[in-house]
Amino acid sequence: SAVISQKPSRDICQRGTSLTIQCQVDSQVTMMFWYRQQPGQSLTLIATANQGSEATYESGFVIDKFPISRPNLTFSTLTVSNMSPEDSSIYLCSGGTGSSSYNEQFFGPGTRLTVL
Amino acid sequence: KNQVEQSPQSLIILEGKNCTLQCNYTVSPFSNLRWYKQDTGRGPVSLTIMTFSENTKSNGRYTATLDADTKQSSLHITASQLSDSASYICVVSGGSGAGSYQLTFGKGTKLSVIP
Repeated sequence: SAVISQKPSRDICQRGTSLTIQCQVDSQVTMMFWYRQQPGQSLTLIATANQGSEATYESGFVIDKFPISRPNLTFSTLTVSNMSPEDSSIYLCSGGTGSSSYNEQFFGPGTRLTVL
Repeated sequence: KNQVEQSPQSLIILEGKNCTLQCNYTVSPFSNLRWYKQDTGRGPVSLTIMTFSENTKSNGRYTATLDADTKQSSLHITASQLSDSASYICVVSGGSGAGSYQLTFGKGTKLSVIP
C-alpha cells in the first residue's frame, strides 16, 4: 500500500487569490490523481497528474484554473487559481499502484478549502 | 452514462446491530467494484475490492457481495461499533478505458452508530 500526505490540511482564502496544495506519496506510484469533493457530493476527478508532462484534465476542468505539476513519481501539486467561493471544497490526491488487475488507489487525507 | 447509485443516503443504527448498504451501478464495461470508508475530514480508505468473478469478500466485520449480472453490490457490517460511523462509498472501476484507473463514485451512505 501507499501512504499519502497532503499539505495544507485546510485553509481559508480570499477571493481572487491562489492556493497550492502539495501531495507526497511514501513510495513510487504509477499514477497520481486530483479529485474534488463538494459538500454532500461524491468525488469528482479533476485531472491525472503525469510525471514530467502536462496533466490530463477531465471535462469541465482547465489548466489555467487548476495547474498541476508532477516533477517525480512521488510528488505532485495542484494550484487552485483566482479562487471564488464556488471553489470551496475538499481537494484529494490519490496514487495508483497498478500492481494488479485491481489498479488500487490510495487517497490522501484531503485539503479542506474555504474561499471567502 | 456511467452511474453508481447508493442507498440509503443515511442510516442510524444502535451499537452492536448489523446493517446492509446497497449499491447499484451502470458502469460498462466493468472492471472491479470497491467499497471505501471515509471518516469525517479524512480521505477514503479501501475496505474491499471485487472483480466480476468474485461474489463475496470480507474484511473483518465488513462483508461485500457482488452480483455482476444484476449490477448490484452490498456491504454488510456486523456487530457495529461507534467507530463505524462514517460515509461508505461504492466505487466502480471501468467505463472508457476499462481496466484502467477510471473510477465512478457513488455519493455514499452516511452511517451513524449510536450508543
